[in-house]
Amino acid sequence: GAGVSQTPSNKVTEKGKYVELRCDPISGHTALYWYRQSLGQGPEFLIYFQGTGAADDSGLPNDRFFAVRPEGSVSTLKIQRTERGDSAVYLCASSEGAGAEAFFGQGTRLTVV
Amino acid sequence: RKEVEQDPGPFNVPEGATVAFNCTYSNSASQSFFWYRQDCRKEPKLLMSVYSSGNEDGRFTAQLNRASQYISLLIRDSKLSDSATYLCVVRAAGNKLTFGGGTRVLVKP
Repeated sequence: GAGVSQTPSNKVTEKGKYVELRCDPISGHTALYWYRQSLGQGPEFLIYFQGTGAADDSGLPNDRFFAVRPEGSVSTLKIQRTERGDSAVYLCASSEGAGAEAFFGQGTRLTVV
Repeated sequence: RKEVEQDPGPFNVPEGATVAFNCTYSNSASQSFFWYRQDCRKEPKLLMSVYSSGNEDGRFTAQLNRASQYISLLIRDSKLSDSATYLCVVRAAGNKLTFGGGTRVLVKP
């Protein structure tokens, strides 16, 4: 069956531009997570959705970052006024619910030049 | 102090040897624990969940020590294909999954 799909796989953008990163979770998975991973580091938590609502957005670094999941399925991570320090791999994961295994997408590699 | 801490390694392991490493967590209310494996430039994948009584999956054994707030992973009879970064993951009451920084393992012939 289809796994977690993230698009685009790579994104190069200029400093100051706006970007959107998309995540298609596994069908039926109610929980969706966004992480950011820099080289040599573990994934850093950004936000967690349960259904349509953001259950925990404590990891969003500042107000340039925003994520939505309007219908409880696809999610979009939005970054305004990108900075070079935003360059990283952005990972999305989904799970059936509390306590279940989280499955990851292959990530979007964002490069801000 | 980070919520989940791991020795970054690398652990250089001769093929066939045993390697073990730990992960400590700071939130005593953490509810569940996992080990994920991540290969270079790939996404993390679940290796195994960690149960209170400890559990084994083939050559891999995971242990949980709630009193000292750490989990461990032991790999027996290491294979070249075990070379990877092993990520410790802790789930808190609100279902947030927190990752450690990873422990890099290099198995050499």
